[in-house]
Amino acid sequence: EVQLVESGGGLVQPGGSLRLSCAASGFTVSSYWLHWFRQAPGKGLVWVSRINSDGSITDYADSVRGRFTISRDNAKNTLYLQMNTLRVEDTAVYYCGRRPTGGGIEYWGQGTLVAVSS
Amino acid sequence: DIVMTQSPLSLPVTPGEPASISCRSSLSLLHTNAFYYLDWYLQKPGQSPQLLIYLRSNRASGVPDRFSGSGSGTDFTLKISRVEAEDVGVYYCMQHIQTPHTFGQGTKLEIK
Repeated sequence: EVQLVESGGGLVQPGGSLRLSCAASGFTVSSYWLHWFRQAPGKGLVWVSRINSDGSITDYADSVRGRFTISRDNAKNTLYLQMNTLRVEDTAVYYCGRRPTGGGIEYWGQGTLVAVSS
Repeated sequence: DIVMTQSPLSLPVTPGEPASISCRSSLSLLHTNAFYYLDWYLQKPGQSPQLLIYLRSNRASGVPDRFSGSGSGTDFTLKISRVEAEDVGVYYCMQHIQTPHTFGQGTKLEIK
């Protein structure tokens, strides 16, 4: 069974850092583009970042570029999002997702909540 | 950035009746490979989003055939032929032809 499980969320002060993980099972991450999304409380979905199968291509939303870093460890079958210089407006549930070539985001994790507050 | 505009934002529907959601993009979503890079997702209350339609009109695995996607250029439509109670939630269109990938605002479908 394909599963994506996020972890690493929590409460952090403005300016702080967190690293989110997305552990994959039931498939090999090295064959897929992987994405991070977020959803602020009561708001819509927002794309955050993506990384290609070997980690050589990464893209970011303008709102996080320079502060967030996406990476992957294919040996551990895990996706990461290093989040630095966090702001109150980064507060959201963060989801990871898998997109096959020619497909949609067919699997999503359950989400992990990041709360940035003093 | 490509702006995705959905309408309506709220959609009350009687069970058994059809429903339609419009999604308009600020740029064409037609790729050079002749596919439209437009997906539809449903987020049921308290759940993660789930894929309904990819590449404009392809139903994802397990999605009932009462869901269909169509459109061209910058105008796209998700249709539900007969709404059921389990279809409640927020529907989003999403473009992935260029980064940043962007979503519509969401359309909340509720049962009358």
